[in-house]
Amino acid sequence: DAKTTQPTSMDCAEGRAANLPCNHSTISGNEYVYWYRQIHSQGPQYIIHGLKNNETNEMASLIITEDRKSSTLILPHATLRDTAVYYCIVLMNRDDKIIFGKGTRLHILP
Amino acid sequence: GAVVSQHPSWVICKSGTSVKIECRSLDFQATTMFWYRQFPKQSLMLMATSNEGSKATYEQGVEKDKFLINHASLTLSTLTVTSAHPEDSSFYICSAPEKKETQYFGPGTRLLVL
Repeated sequence: DAKTTQPTSMDCAEGRAANLPCNHSTISGNEYVYWYRQIHSQGPQYIIHGLKNNETNEMASLIITEDRKSSTLILPHATLRDTAVYYCIVLMNRDDKIIFGKGTRLHILP
Repeated sequence: GAVVSQHPSWVICKSGTSVKIECRSLDFQATTMFWYRQFPKQSLMLMATSNEGSKATYEQGVEKDKFLINHASLTLSTLTVTSAHPEDSSFYICSAPEKKETQYFGPGTRLLVL
């Protein structure tokens, strides 16, 4: 079973920040939080990952709570192309097998 | 980021035939690759772990004689769907961990069995 829980779906207006939450209350100290997204009919795309500290890259920011039991993926300026299913995943090693949950279906509204 | 390719991107075949799908890591080596399938409106389901130079490890409920996996080199894993039937029609996706960064996914192969 997936170790994370996410809302089933979310809407966000184009140009606004999209904040996608994820709960991972059973995460262990050496497990990372990874985010992937899957645009319709494509393979999943890596977005970002982190352990304890907040992370930012050209795609998104990842905010991890101090107790590490939850995190938020932030897309700072959502566009229509960000419409996808977003998966929050907990992994100890990058070569571990990934068990996907249902993710969050993000709709960007024009 | 690193690139994983799949071939073919889509395939249509008759019931009873076998179909081979290739997964390649284009700019890195992968001793392990993973195979998933995805039915419409569902999440990805892990089928098996492909191990270079050894037997694949299958998830519970996945028939190893039905879905043959060969990981003959550090950049290539193949999945062969033997005696395909309409219920095998699905979107098949592979992934490969890249040592320095993360796990990368292929673009997927859509299989339609008539």
